[in-house]
Amino acid sequence: KQEVTQIPAALSVPEGENLVLNCSFTDSAIYNLQWFRQDPGKGLTSLLLIQSSQREQTSGRLNASLDKSSGRSTLYIAASQPGDSATYLCAGSSGGGADGLTFGKGTHLIIQP
Amino acid sequence: GAVVSQHPSRVICKSGTSVKIECRSLDFQATTMFWYRQFPKQSLMLMATSNEGSKATYEQGVEKDKFLINHASLTLSTLTVTSAHPEDSSFYICSAMGAGGRNTQYFGPGTRLTVL
Repeated sequence: KQEVTQIPAALSVPEGENLVLNCSFTDSAIYNLQWFRQDPGKGLTSLLLIQSSQREQTSGRLNASLDKSSGRSTLYIAASQPGDSATYLCAGSSGGGADGLTFGKGTHLIIQP
Repeated sequence: GAVVSQHPSRVICKSGTSVKIECRSLDFQATTMFWYRQFPKQSLMLMATSNEGSKATYEQGVEKDKFLINHASLTLSTLTVTSAHPEDSSFYICSAMGAGGRNTQYFGPGTRLTVL
């Protein structure tokens, strides 16, 4: 069964810095991997989805990579802003995409003004 | 497109009562819906997978008689928490996946359940 781990659990950096959030997964037969943002007390905002055949996806200041052989994904945030403060969740889908997602515990990110 | 709604967004109930949460796909037909829950400061955990017209598949440790799931149409799934207790207090989130679309799950905004 897929297991997803995220490190670090928490991160606080000054505004403007580039940063990397890490996600690892155990099942290399992952179908796709998604990164979400969750604000306190709120639902999920989908940021990026990477199919198993892809190596990376980009959206604005965000870039996510996927390395199936090593079981790792990274989320790169460029030029961080205070509005980026949130919990970032990584989730993997197996079973040909028909299974529910397995989530990591998230990285709680604080961007200091 | 691909909007999923949940109702109610927040519910407070007394211990022993039952609570129904609705999950609707507003602009697409969802052959599969998933129910997750999130305890405070924890990540989301899959509870069950619901396919239209068939019985839900529950994850290990989730009581199917306590968490009743009905997916009677291609746009609606309901989760009923029966005889709710304080330990059932959680954030419940649904997601929906379209027919043949084994790529993306679209998430609802979640329902916060507080059992007194």
